[in-house]
Amino acid sequence: GENVEQHPSTLSVQEGDSAVIKCTYSDSASNYFPWYKQELGKGPQLIIDIRSNVGEKKDQRIAVTLNKTAKHFSLHITETQPEDSAVYFCAASLGGNEKLTFGTGTRLTIIP
Amino acid sequence: GAVVSQHPSWVICKSGTSVKIECRSLDFQATTMFWYRQFPKQSLMLMATSNEGSKATYEQGVEKDKFLINHASLTLSTLTVTSAHPEDSSFYICSARKGAGGTEAFFGQGTRLTVV
Repeated sequence: GENVEQHPSTLSVQEGDSAVIKCTYSDSASNYFPWYKQELGKGPQLIIDIRSNVGEKKDQRIAVTLNKTAKHFSLHITETQPEDSAVYFCAASLGGNEKLTFGTGTRLTIIP
Repeated sequence: GAVVSQHPSWVICKSGTSVKIECRSLDFQATTMFWYRQFPKQSLMLMATSNEGSKATYEQGVEKDKFLINHASLTLSTLTVTSAHPEDSSFYICSARKGAGGTEAFFGQGTRLTVV
């Protein structure tokens, strides 16, 4: 089955700087890679996703890059703000209604 | 956007009783929903895949008779924790996939279950 590794487990960034979180996956058949933000006591919120037919996707301060050959994808947050502090999870899936396999999460702290 | 509503958001129950958690997709139909369990400071652990009109598919190690899942309509799935014990205390989260063939998955707000 699919295995997703995520690094780092914790990340502290000065407000205004950029944050990068990286994930690798094992199943080359996976073709859908979402990123979720989870705040304390709440369910995960989809913030951006990418499909295997593109290498990069951007939405304002958030971007995701995908390297299918190396089987890794990354989340980039620029101009970080205190409200970006949360736990971020990457995931991989075969798409359709197949299940998501999650990474272990990254606790991001933005230092004012 | 897509909204998934989960109810209740928290519940406290006595050992030996059963608890039902509802998961609804409010503005879209979901033929497939997923139930997760999350321990503090850990990732989401998939418990089962809930398919509308058919039996749920459970992950290895998850007790089918303890965690009953029903997906009676395209907008509602329920998880019933039967004969709950303190070790069942956890954060339970559902998700539903939206769109043709699914893909985008949206999550409910989670249910904090405490068994005393």
